[in-house]
Amino acid sequence: AQSVTQLGSHVSVSEGALVLLRCNYSSSVPPYLFWYVQYPNQGLQLLLKYTSAATLVKGINGFEAEFKKSETSFHLTKPSAHMSDAAEYFCAVSDPGANSKLTFGKGITLSVRP
Amino acid sequence: GAVVSQHPSRVICKSGTSVKIECRSLDFQATTMFWYRQFPKQSLMLMATSNEGSKATYEQGVEKDKFLINHASLTLSTLTVTSAHPEDSSFYICSARDRGHSGNTIYFGEGSWLTVV
Repeated sequence: AQSVTQLGSHVSVSEGALVLLRCNYSSSVPPYLFWYVQYPNQGLQLLLKYTSAATLVKGINGFEAEFKKSETSFHLTKPSAHMSDAAEYFCAVSDPGANSKLTFGKGITLSVRP
Repeated sequence: GAVVSQHPSRVICKSGTSVKIECRSLDFQATTMFWYRQFPKQSLMLMATSNEGSKATYEQGVEKDKFLINHASLTLSTLTVTSAHPEDSSFYICSARDRGHSGNTIYFGEGSWLTVV
């Protein structure tokens, strides 16, 4: 069984500040890990994914995440927040199987203050 | 990038009627599609996994006779909410696995708001 923990429900940063959204996972097999973003009343957009290649993964919109097996973490970062980054962010895990499904964390709301 | 389209984006129906939501992969073949339900300010709850040409696999607690899923082709899956009630009002999101892409890449539709009055 797999699970994802996203601590906290809300993160607020100032525009231009570092964004750090935490994600810890539990998996009995080497996982695939994902970060998705959801803007109000919309579906989910894939930001980035880790699939057992490079541990530092770069995604869209300046986001990146680092897979740390020893810490079972896959935290999402962005050096400088932009107002347009305000959204809901979901971390998800799956096993590498061809038919595996995603297990989502509960999500975290990012607010960006001007 | 890959696109998954849902239709309709918003629908209002009367209690007791049925409503169908379509999920299409526009530029790739999807052997597997997933249907989620999302309540306000909450995460996505997986309802069922839809495999092309076979019966859907429902998650525990999801009524398969109420939420009918059909995956008739490699680019289309439909969710029909039968005998809808106000408590079925929710945001429904589909996703599709890109058959030709490695790494379990799954793309999401824009979601469909269902309001049952």
